[in-house]
Amino acid sequence: GQNIDQPTEMTATEGAIVQINCTYQTSGFNGLFWYQQHAGEAPTFLSYNVLDGLEEKGRFSSFLSRSKGYSYLLLKELQMKDSASYLCAVGTGGYNKLIFGAGTRLAVHP
Amino acid sequence: EAGVAQSPRYKIIEKRQSVAFWCNPISGHATLYWYQQILGQGPKLLIQFQNNGVVDDSQLPKDRFSAERLKGVDSTLKIQPAKLEDSAVYLCASSFVRGGNTEAFFGQGTRLTVV
Repeated sequence: GQNIDQPTEMTATEGAIVQINCTYQTSGFNGLFWYQQHAGEAPTFLSYNVLDGLEEKGRFSSFLSRSKGYSYLLLKELQMKDSASYLCAVGTGGYNKLIFGAGTRLAVHP
Repeated sequence: EAGVAQSPRYKIIEKRQSVAFWCNPISGHATLYWYQQILGQGPKLLIQFQNNGVVDDSQLPKDRFSAERLKGVDSTLKIQPAKLEDSAVYLCASSFVRGGNTEAFFGQGTRLTVV
């Protein structure tokens, strides 16, 4: 079966650091994606991991451990505009079927 | 580069009516996905095309939903007849490489309300 788990909600303070975890069990693995989705808008791509380790992109970093079926998204120097849902997705199969988790709603407070 | 285009943006219909959504992917993108996103949930894959062929429709309710991608470019998703539980945002996405690990680009979606 295919299963992707993320916390439902998180809150954090402006300027702080937050880590959003994702665990997955899928038949096949091509890579792990993180997307950001503001309310009423389409998901936008944040990061991609296919090898174990940390990928850094400005204020956002993403980590992958394939043996543990685990990833996290790290957001530094939080800003109010970072309030959004963060979606973890796994690509599987020869045609890269993209399976999404339920998303984590992050609220950033002053 | 133009993004993924979808229309209409909003649609309100009565239950048992039919509705169709249109998607124009990014030029050159062979892979096209249709997702259903119910409020507060993650996107659920309904159907995936590679060029004009279906590669996954395992979660498409085939008794009422249908989709096609003529000529491997534009795609339409149809619901007939609609039920109240079909109220959701329908997202179309496209990506470039078959079997590759490139990101999918999403359109703005069509928000469907069934009353």
